[in-house]
Parts: sequence; structure tokens; C-alpha cells
Amino acid sequence: KQEVTQIPAALSVPEGENLVLNCSFTDSAIYNLQWFRQDPGKGLTSLLLIQSSQREQTSGRLNASLDKSSGRSTLYIAASQPGDSATYLCALRETSGSRLTFGEGTQLTVNP
Amino acid sequence: IAGITQAPTSQILAAGRRMTLRCTQDMRHNAMYWYRQDLGLGLRLIHYSNTAGTTGKGEVPDGYSVSRANTDDFPLTLASAVPSQTSVYFCASSLTYNTEAFFGQGTRLTVV
Repeated sequence: KQEVTQIPAALSVPEGENLVLNCSFTDSAIYNLQWFRQDPGKGLTSLLLIQSSQREQTSGRLNASLDKSSGRSTLYIAASQPGDSATYLCALRETSGSRLTFGEGTQLTVNP
Repeated sequence: IAGITQAPTSQILAAGRRMTLRCTQDMRHNAMYWYRQDLGLGLRLIHYSNTAGTTGKGEVPDGYSVSRANTDDFPLTLASAVPSQTSVYFCASSLTYNTEAFFGQGTRLTVV
């Protein structure tokens, strides 16, 4: 059974800092990995999708990497802003089924 | 473009009552999903549908049923609600079973 772990569970940083969020998984048989953002009381917003054949994807200040061999993905946020404060979730689309398997998320607070 | 619309936004329901959570998408996506999100347990798949006319069971299907009569709608029914079904329910969709997923804003359900 796929297990997805996100460390740390919570992170607090000062504004302007570059930071990395981590996602590890146990089964590399995946179609893709997706990073989401969730604001309190809201739905999930898709940030980046990395296909299994890709190594990284970039969108603005966000860069996500994927290393299937080591079972790891990272989400890099450059020049963090208070508006980046949210919970960040990674999710894997496994080849063995149709579902996305989620980590429990990293709650990020960017302090002004 | 509305994307995915869920209704109601929130609901308090007496135990034993029947309830249908509605989900409609206007993106012509083939695949649709229902997840529940609980503190400490993360997001778990309840049911999914890879295409209109087909459905499948996810990780936690007991007590829930779904139907997929057309591409746009994917209602989730609780036949006889129990307090353990208190949760936030998210509907999601993707073009196919292995492409980027998009989520609705959620339905907060409290069963008393």
C-alpha cells in the first residue's frame, strides 16, 4: 500500500525566505505527482503537476521536483510572502488504481 | 467558468436521515471523485467514476453510494447518516484517470 509522508508537519518562516517542503512515498509506480495548496476552510488548489517521466516543473516562484528512484518530491518556494501561508499537500496518482493518495500536508506560516 | 460546484456548502443532519451531496463540473472531465477530509486522517477516497455510467469503490465506501448518469454530475448519497460521517467532503474531477485533478470548495457535514 502506498504511503505518503510530508515533513515537517508545520513550518514557520520570516517573509522573504526561500523554503523547501518535502514529500516522500513508498511505491514508485505512479503516473504523476501533484502539489496542492489548501487555505483554511477552503478547497484544494492545484499548484503543479509532475508526470512520472519528468524531473521538475516550475510555475512562478514555485518549483517542484520528482525523484522516483528515491521516492521523493520537493516543493521549493522562492522569496516567500505572507500570502503563501496555507497547508501544502502532495498527492500521487498510482498506476495500480484510479485514486490520488495524499500526504497529510505541511502547514506553512510566513510571518511579515 | 465555474469549474466544480458542490452543494450545499454546509449542512447539519440528524442521524438516520438520508442526504445527497451534489457535485457538478463544467469542464467535460471524464473522471470524478469523492473524498472526505478528517483531521489526523487526511484525504481519503470514497468513490470514483472514470467515465459516465461507471463507478468504483475507494478506500472508505461503506455507508455511501454514488451514481454517474451523465458526464457533469456525480452525486454522493448517505442512505442513513451516522455521526462518524461528520466530515468535510470534496468532489474532484480530472480529464482522465491519470491527469491533473481539480477540487471543489467542499461540503462541511455534521451528523448529530
